[in-house]
Amino acid sequence: GDKVKQSPSALSLQEGTNSALRCNFSIAATTVQWFLQNPRGSLINLFYLVPGTKENGRLKSTFNSKESYSTLHIRDAQLEDSGTYFCAAERNNYAQGLTFGLGTRVSVFP
Amino acid sequence: EAAVTQSPRSKVAVTGGKVTLSCHQTNNHDYMYWYRQDTGHGLRLIHYSYVADSTEKGDIPDGYKASRPSQENFSLILELASLSQTAVYFCASSGDSGNTLYFGEGSRLIVV
Repeated sequence: GDKVKQSPSALSLQEGTNSALRCNFSIAATTVQWFLQNPRGSLINLFYLVPGTKENGRLKSTFNSKESYSTLHIRDAQLEDSGTYFCAAERNNYAQGLTFGLGTRVSVFP
Repeated sequence: EAAVTQSPRSKVAVTGGKVTLSCHQTNNHDYMYWYRQDTGHGLRLIHYSYVADSTEKGDIPDGYKASRPSQENFSLILELASLSQTAVYFCASSGDSGNTLYFGEGSRLIVV
């Protein structure tokens, strides 16, 4: 968790509101992935990012490699967005999988 | 669609016993991984493999062995299970080391 720091650690959102999650890297990340672990425990891949921005429905993610951070924006939050969001970085010159943050637990309420 | 299946999904093992967690993927991916998830630690890489009959150590390999008998199958072996190995274990695959990671559903292991 030290090499990839996620904030906030937990977030409570009312349905229909917007929010942003952030990852800061103390390693030289070349690519970033975002995952949602749903209440059943399944890990679902949301984004795979090289430096730049991607959007998928109500989710939008940016990876800035020069400033070593990534953000995930949730627009118009829905109940099914509840779960724990993880970011993970692929390190430069390190081909062995990803380094994960500790996650942001998101709870969406009516 | 990508498919990674793990077995067993849940297991209770006794301290000192042998445990084998199995993973099968139908993605035709070269890379397979075993991660461990503990509360407060996120996911940590135990072992990985990029080709059949070869495995590599990840960040926390002590107490674990891995086996990759074919491209599709990757096993995690605990020769002498210990209480500290109680965790949820996830298998994953990817087409390359930096490509999108696809996870299995997880295997919950309780060592008593």
